[in-house]
Amino acid sequence: DQQVKQNSPSLSVQEGRISILNCDYTNSMFDYFLWYKKYPAEGPTFLISISSIKDKNEDGRFTVFLNKSAKHLSLHIVPSQPGDSAVYFCAASAWSGGSNYKLTFGKGTLLTVNP
Amino acid sequence: SQTIHQWPATLVQPVGSPLSLECTVEGTSNPNLYWYRQAAGRGLQLLFYSVGIGQISSEVPQNLSASRPQDRQFILSSKKLLLSDSGFYLCAWIYWRGASIGYTFGSGTRLTVV
Repeated sequence: DQQVKQNSPSLSVQEGRISILNCDYTNSMFDYFLWYKKYPAEGPTFLISISSIKDKNEDGRFTVFLNKSAKHLSLHIVPSQPGDSAVYFCAASAWSGGSNYKLTFGKGTLLTVNP
Repeated sequence: SQTIHQWPATLVQPVGSPLSLECTVEGTSNPNLYWYRQAAGRGLQLLFYSVGIGQISSEVPQNLSASRPQDRQFILSSKKLLLSDSGFYLCAWIYWRGASIGYTFGSGTRLTVV
C-alpha cells in the first residue's frame, strides 16, 4: 500500500516558467510534509516542508501548497532554472510511537528544465 | 555543527560476501537514525530505524540487519549479499527545528552486487 504517491515520473519545463510537482497521500495521520531534491549518486537534500496545520509555505523560489481535504500537496518552483533539474521526492512523516518519526517517500518525479 | 557521515561512497561486492556500511553523526546526542535504500527506478524505502543504542526496528524483512553499537553510530550489515541487495543506501538523521522536524541524509553508498 503506497501511502505517498507521485503519479508523474517525469516533468519537463522551459527555463523561466513554473514547475509544478504533485504529490498525493492516503494517511490522514501524517503531520509534516517535506520535499527533497536528489541528484544522481548523492543523498537527498531538503528543500521545504509544511506542517499539516498550514496550507502554504514559501521559501524563495519554492512554495509548497497543502490541500488536506484532497490529501494533496504540490511544490511550485518559480522561475525554473536548469540547475533545478533533478529528482524531486515528496515525503510525509508521522509519529510512530515513543520519540520516533518515520518518513514515507513517494517514488519521485524527474524534473528537467530546458534552457 | 551537526553533520552526518556515511562510507564507503561506492562498493562492489560478489554475491555471498558480507557487507558492512557505517553511518556516524556529529554534533548531536541520542539521535533517531534511519537506513533507506533506493533501488533502480524506485523511491526511497525505509529499511531500519533506531531510537537509541541497541534499539533497532526493521521495516522490511530481508537479507540485511542493522546495529546501533554507539549513540552516534548506525551500521547496516549482511552476512551474505544477494544480487537484489544492489542499490543506493542512505543513512538519515532526524532533528527538531522548533516545532517542526527535518531529516538530513548522508551522501549515500552505491552498492553493486555482482
